[in-house]
Amino acid sequence: RKEVEQDPGPFNVPEGATVAFNCTYSNSASQSFFWYRQDCRKEPKLLMSVYSSGNEDGRFTAQLNRASQYISLLIRDSKLSDSATYLCVVKNRGSTLGRLYFGRGTQLTVWP
Amino acid sequence: GAGVSQSPSNKVTEKGKDVELRCDPISGHTALYWYRQSLGQGLEFLIYFQGNSAPDKSGLPSDRFSAERTGGSVSTLTIQRTQQEDSAVYLCASRTVGNEQFFGPGTRLTVL
Repeated sequence: RKEVEQDPGPFNVPEGATVAFNCTYSNSASQSFFWYRQDCRKEPKLLMSVYSSGNEDGRFTAQLNRASQYISLLIRDSKLSDSATYLCVVKNRGSTLGRLYFGRGTQLTVWP
Repeated sequence: GAGVSQSPSNKVTEKGKDVELRCDPISGHTALYWYRQSLGQGLEFLIYFQGNSAPDKSGLPSDRFSAERTGGSVSTLTIQRTQQEDSAVYLCASRTVGNEQFFGPGTRLTVL
């Protein structure tokens, strides 16, 4: 079983829509959680960390459910520029600088 | 400041040749990671370095792949006797405690 599973999509939504992505992780000892964004033919970049109490950054809201081993990302009022692949990322307990586990990504296209 | 840099940006080689890919991490970043990404696929972890040692090289797909890091800085990923299935974008990332993982722009390898 993969460490991190995501629905690959694609999600195609109109501008202004709200869209949610989900992700599950298999290791209950996972410690840190992130969402990365990858634009077409570009390298991944950190979008936001995910905290236990949930956190918001502008139009983006991340939630973590440790009991269900589930992470979500909600994007409100979608913009054309939100079109990208969103990667769910998990770090397991252990070395502070240990490897991150990346999901395969969920592709989002926002259309005018 | 300078980000992670990789060279070459593109490499075309013939099947059976050896290739060497280089990564210059962000100065002071103790951890360095190599991934590869095939077209339309997720990130595949290859190896990570902490300083000059590699605590986790579990992702190297075969003994044709090797990597080293010297001086806690530059890393090279070497692929011997390249095969067509080695064609992918090879991404390097670096990180230090308390910081996100920063990716380089990648090396696009094409094996003919």
